[in-house]
Amino acid sequence: QSALTQPPSVSGSPGQSVTISCTGTGNDVGPHNRVSWYQQPPGTAPKLMIYEVTNRPSGVPDRFSGSKSGNTASLTISGLQAEDEADYYCSSYTSSSTWVFGGGTKLTVL
Amino acid sequence: EVQLVESGGGLVQPGGSLRLSCAASGFTLSTYWMHWVRQAPGKGLVWVSRVNSEASSTYYADSVKGRFTISRDNVKNTLFLQMNSLRAEDTAVYYCARQQHFGMDVWGQGTTVTVSS
Repeated sequence: QSALTQPPSVSGSPGQSVTISCTGTGNDVGPHNRVSWYQQPPGTAPKLMIYEVTNRPSGVPDRFSGSKSGNTASLTISGLQAEDEADYYCSSYTSSSTWVFGGGTKLTVL
Repeated sequence: EVQLVESGGGLVQPGGSLRLSCAASGFTLSTYWMHWVRQAPGKGLVWVSRVNSEASSTYYADSVKGRFTISRDNVKNTLFLQMNSLRAEDTAVYYCARQQHFGMDVWGQGTTVTVSS
């Protein structure tokens, strides 16, 4: 049950786009379209931003989008805003019927 | 309002036990799979355990298998996590979360567990 691999940090200026990658294996991200993404500002509970690779829950801006290729999933945030500054985590269902999270990525809006 | 509220955290000595509760309101707990997720101080999210809607199927992270037990009382709309043989590395904020499709769409505010002598 090794954690999915995410970059520790990414940054961008307001209005720009940033992409956060999430690399797993053939036991989690690869065979399952069951990757989700969470936003966690400091001191708060996580919030679901994307589920099943590409789907946005009601209320999440369409600036947030998800994709997957092979064993790597990605979260793209376009039109970056100051309020997007937070930690972001990916998660995947696994072939062992368990779940695994990524190590988290700190997004800084410059 | 759809809400999850955890309780039961606290300070416990190594080797001790705690039982966490997660009270659901605004929705019927019995129709959802539920999870526990923890976050050590300054660290990332770590999945702990999952129970299906009927409580007939449970899964655990290797790090807690054999020590933690997830359960639910669908009549009382409450999820539980029984934690035994606690270790220092179990120190964390513990969140309960509801699964909708294959995403965790509702989270509690968390309850803090500190394992220390």
